[in-house]
Amino acid sequence: AQRVTQPEKLLSVFKGAPVELKCNYSYSGSPELFWYVQYSRQRLQLLLRHISRESIKGFTADLNKGETSFHLKKPFAQEEDSAMYYCALSGGDYKLSFGAGTTVTVRA
Amino acid sequence: SQTIHQWPATLVQPVGSPLSLECTVEGTSNPNLYWYRQAAGRGLQLLFYSVGIGQISSEVPQNLSASRPQDRQFILSSKKLLLSDSGFYLCAWSSVGQPQHFGDGTRLSIL
Repeated sequence: AQRVTQPEKLLSVFKGAPVELKCNYSYSGSPELFWYVQYSRQRLQLLLRHISRESIKGFTADLNKGETSFHLKKPFAQEEDSAMYYCALSGGDYKLSFGAGTTVTVRA
Repeated sequence: SQTIHQWPATLVQPVGSPLSLECTVEGTSNPNLYWYRQAAGRGLQLLFYSVGIGQISSEVPQNLSASRPQDRQFILSSKKLLLSDSGFYLCAWSSVGQPQHFGDGTRLSIL
């Protein structure tokens, strides 16, 4: 069985401060991990995927197989980063398992 | 470019009434299609997925069913809605090996 855990429902940071959203997963094989984001009044969209190894909007995430984690990080949060963030896992069989999501609020 | 349309955006239905939510994709052929539900305070749960016309896989036992009458059309249905069917329903599509793209969702309230 595959499972994704996002331990923080809410995360509030000040503008310019670092932000880290935690994601842990449970999967017996080699998973593919994603971060999706939903800004206010917009549809859920892909932020980044671990196999791309790229930084999107200043965010990065590294897959740590030893700790089974895929934490999302940004060194300097901006107000436009306020959104709902979902970590998701695919076992390569078309299906995504999502975490419960973390609502991020960036305060001025 | 590819687009996904999902409607209606909101729906209020009485208990015991039927349901039909529709999702269509444009600009691609033979997409994988998905229906998710998000209950309050919980993550997205995969309900159904389809890899081709008439091919539906159900992930969780429930009061809902899905159909794919055409290549780019995916329908979520119920004959008799329950209060527990309330939630936010999302349709998504993907090409093989590619990330999923989501529609705007339907907010379903059962009275």
